[in-house]
This record gives sequence, structure tokens and C-alpha cells, in this order.
Amino acid sequence: DSGVTQTPKHLITATGQRVTLRCSPRSGDLSVYWYQQSLDQGLQFLIQYYNGEERAKGNILERFSAQQFPDLHSELNLSSLELGDSALYFCASTGGTVGNTIYFGEGSWLTVV
Amino acid sequence: DQQVKQNSPSLSVQEGRISILNCDYTNSMFDYFLWYKKYPAEGPTFLISISSIKDKNEDGRFTVFLNKSAKHLSLHIVPSQPGDSAVYFCAASARRGANNLFFGTGTRLTVIP
Repeated sequence: DSGVTQTPKHLITATGQRVTLRCSPRSGDLSVYWYQQSLDQGLQFLIQYYNGEERAKGNILERFSAQQFPDLHSELNLSSLELGDSALYFCASTGGTVGNTIYFGEGSWLTVV
Repeated sequence: DQQVKQNSPSLSVQEGRISILNCDYTNSMFDYFLWYKKYPAEGPTFLISISSIKDKNEDGRFTVFLNKSAKHLSLHIVPSQPGDSAVYFCAASARRGANNLFFGTGTRLTVIP
């Protein structure tokens, strides 16, 4: 158990819909990362938040957005969903004190039909 | 543009033998490298890392080798065990504590009993 909690574990939704994925980082971790893993793709970095503020942005579509709340949990919002958005979305966290050893949650499986 | 590449999507090895997983990178600014292991239905877990100031790092049955001039690293598992069967991701960052990691597409290792 990495200590990073993601909900929901599985989600099926229709094209055009909007979903929210939730992440609770490890206790005390200030940084939260979101990654996307599609079929035959590596882990693609989407976005990072540090203590409530956006720190870095990767390959995140404009239809996607994220935020980190004062209690440090984070949400990834995916809107106007397309079939190609079906993927495993991982949240990860780090306190930043052990280099780049970030800890991943179990992921949220999103299926767009 | 995939900056971290794992050209072998899969590898099968007999139990007790050596497993060698390879990774190449293109960004010469990368100076910290990690291997993550992922079981089905779980998030990736940190396995071992190496800084660019070293060319080898060992942790039990796992050894990572770095060849900076060739922009190549490899993970050796000796002896391989059936429990090592998983997907292994190589990751890199431009500096320790950087905002995000660049991941390869993963290699699925199967250790045959």
C-alpha cells in the first residue's frame, strides 16, 4: 500500500460526459502528480500541483483540468469525453525529500463508451 | 516525442536466470533515472534508482547500470523469480527533485517457473 488513495477505481461513462477523479496523497506529501496510461503507452505526465498551486504541466488536454485543495487532496476533471480518453489515470505524490521517488496510487480505470 | 524508450515490449526468462531490461533516452539533460515495477491492478512501485554520477547501483537482486555516453541504462535481476513477473517502467528526470518524470512504455517481464 503506497498510501496514495484514488477513487473511483473504475468508471464507465459516455462520450461527451464529464467525470472527476479524486486523489488523496500520502500523509504529509505536498506534491501531487497526475499521469495517464493508455493502451501501449507509457505513463504520460499530465500535471503537477504543489501545496495547492500548479507547478508543472505536461501533455494535458484543454478539456482536462485539475486542482489541489487546502487539505492537499486533488481532483482531475475530464470533460467532453472522447473514446480516446479511455485510460488508466494515476495519481502520485511525493514530499520532495527523497529525490524523485514518487509514490503511485492504484489508478482509476476510465472507460468511455 | 518519446524521450525515454523501452524497445522491448516483453521479455521471458527462466526462473533462476538473469533478466536484463533495457532503456534508452534521448535528452542529455537527464541525470536521474529510476525503475518502477507494476503489477496488474496496482500502481507502479519504486524499485531502484541511479544518479548520473554513478554507473552502477545495486540493491539485492536488482542492479541498474548507466552508460551516459550511450544514453542507455539497464536493469539486471539475478536470479529471476516468478514473483518478478510484472511490467517494468524506466523513468528519467532532468534533475533530482524535478517536477516530473519521463517514463518509457514499459517492458512486460515473464519469469517462467
